Amino acid sequence: AQTVTQSQPEMSVQEAETVTLSCTYDTSESDYYLFWYKQPPSRQMILVIRQEAYKQQNATENRFSVNFQKAAKSFSLKISDSQLGDAAMYFCAYRREDTGFQKLVFGTGTRLLVSP
Amino acid sequence: DAGITQSPRYKITETGRQVTLMCHQTWSHSYMFWYRQDLGHGLRLIYYSAAADITDKGEVPDGYVVSRSKTENFPLTLESATRSQTSVYFCASGDYQETQYFGPGTRLLVL
Repeated sequence: AQTVTQSQPEMSVQEAETVTLSCTYDTSESDYYLFWYKQPPSRQMILVIRQEAYKQQNATENRFSVNFQKAAKSFSLKISDSQLGDAAMYFCAYRREDTGFQKLVFGTGTRLLVSP
Repeated sequence: DAGITQSPRYKITETGRQVTLMCHQTWSHSYMFWYRQDLGHGLRLIYYSAAADITDKGEVPDGYVVSRSKTENFPLTLESATRSQTSVYFCASGDYQETQYFGPGTRLLVL
């Protein structure tokens, strides 16, 4: 079974600085998707970024980028120029690419604290 | 407004009572999902639906019932609530193999 591991329960960063959140996953599949979701205090789950495993280029969305290392099964999220509004729980998720429905598998989350 | 909504947002109930959590989406997504979020577990899939009248179990379906008579609605029923079902429940929707979009969540407390 696929598993997703987020080894950092909590991370801290100062405004305007850069922080990297770690995620590793275990799978024997070659085709899959990886996601980072943000959950602010409002509890809403918001998609931050998505990466297809067949793409070698790392996905970016404005201040958010990933470092996808397929061989190492690592998928870290880098947040540049951190803002107070980035404070939230961040969840890494995996989904296999296959026929039929494939469920999302979530990690346990990393709480990001942002200080002025 | 387009999106996904859940009701109620907060619910307190007693053990043994039946509770229904509602989910409504306006995107016409084919797939809908129910997750529960508990400390130390992240999000776990309870049930999902690929289309109206098609539902299937996820990781933790015991004690829950779902139905989907209309594409836009996907209610989750706890037939006889237990304290272990105290959790935050998220509904999500998406098209086949596409990104899932989540509702705001329902916080349920079972006393």
